[in-house]
Amino acid sequence: DAKTTQPPSMDCAEGRAANLPCNHSTISGNEYVYWYRQIHSQGPQYIIHGLKNNETNEMASLIITEDRKSSTLILPHATLRDTAVYYCIVRRNNAGGTSYGKLTFGQGTILTVHP
Amino acid sequence: DTGVSQDPRHKITKRGQNVTFRCDPISEHNRLYWYRQTLGQGPEFLTYFQNEAQLEKSRLLSDRFSAERPKGSFSTLEIQRTEQGDSAMYLCASSLLWNTEAFFGQGTRLTVV
Repeated sequence: DAKTTQPPSMDCAEGRAANLPCNHSTISGNEYVYWYRQIHSQGPQYIIHGLKNNETNEMASLIITEDRKSSTLILPHATLRDTAVYYCIVRRNNAGGTSYGKLTFGQGTILTVHP
Repeated sequence: DTGVSQDPRHKITKRGQNVTFRCDPISEHNRLYWYRQTLGQGPEFLTYFQNEAQLEKSRLLSDRFSAERPKGSFSTLEIQRTEQGDSAMYLCASSLLWNTEAFFGQGTRLTVV
């Protein structure tokens, strides 16, 4: 699976949008971009994933560049409860559409939301 | 069903003792994964099961580690002759065969003294 690069930490004011970048310049055509977050002392929580199109759900938006070498996770209105480690993961799916399963986590970005 | 359940949440053991952790995945999820997380690091993949078959094991899973998933339901992870370096959070996750979203449990924190 392709490696990802994220900034080690970011700050955001409560109520503002948090934009978390991720570089994955070696991503290949059958690899998806996944985002998970981990709040202190809890297991990782799935946020969103995408292949090439931008995606939005109730938690966040995922913007993937046209060349797919980078992406940005957007939390539109950050709250104090969004303080967590955010992991950007590139995950391979096989040709049949079922996933290989495992997630390769990096160090992630520690997002701190301030009042 | 409220999600992936792990038991115990915390375990303190003396070096050299054996420990066993249990994971109950979300019902109907065919795939089950174990990860290990040390302080300040992201989770590291250990092994995964598709139903009762163990399909992949990481090199991190030494001979002292064994995982089972009898009947494709709950799973156990056993560590024999524990060492201080085994101290970590052990996370379990599950997903549907065709669904790529993995749901994680709260983890079992192991401290070897």
